[in-house]
Amino acid sequence: GQSLEQPSEVTAVEGAIVQINCTYQTSGFYGLSWYQQHDGGAPTFLSYNALDGLEETGRFSSFLSRSDSYGYLLLQELQMKDSASYFCAVYREGGDDKIIFGKGTRLHILP
Amino acid sequence: SAVISQKPSRDICQRGTSLTIQCQVDSQVTMMFWYRQQPGQSLTLIATANQGSEATYESGFVIDKFPISRPNLTFSTLTVSNMSPEDSSIYLCSVKGHSSGNTIYFGEGSWLTVV
Repeated sequence: GQSLEQPSEVTAVEGAIVQINCTYQTSGFYGLSWYQQHDGGAPTFLSYNALDGLEETGRFSSFLSRSDSYGYLLLQELQMKDSASYFCAVYREGGDDKIIFGKGTRLHILP
Repeated sequence: SAVISQKPSRDICQRGTSLTIQCQVDSQVTMMFWYRQQPGQSLTLIATANQGSEATYESGFVIDKFPISRPNLTFSTLTVSNMSPEDSSIYLCSVKGHSSGNTIYFGEGSWLTVV
């Protein structure tokens, strides 16, 4: 089977940097994704890492270490609108495009 | 990116009734999935909607409770049958297209409350 672990909640200050970690266990790995979900909204895609290293997209970056079964999402220059839940997700073994989600990290941003 | 429309967006349903959720995509997609998200929880995959054949259900989900149709490459329905309060949840349609790479897009969800 597969499992993902991420913190349930993180609090940071507006303008700061925050890192949300994700560790996973899987018998077959194809990639790690991150999704953002605001209250009352649908999940939206943020990033995808298939190879080790850092992927940067504006204020958001995502990192993957396949050898450590570990990844993180880095949010810089935090804004109040970044208050949301963030889910890491892995593509399920077998490569059938099905994504399995972690339990999500609720990010609280303080002014 | 794909534009996904779900109907209804919200509904309040009586215990024991059934409700069908529709998912319409603005372009042909290879994969369509149905997820459930209970309040404050993560997303759980219910099934993969297969075009022209029976859906593939995940462990814990059965066709009698969640019948799914996918008559073509742009449309699918999920029915929640014989509802109970435990079925109160957000139901999300998601898709992966030919050109979307590894991105999976979600509809806005259907928020069902069973009373």
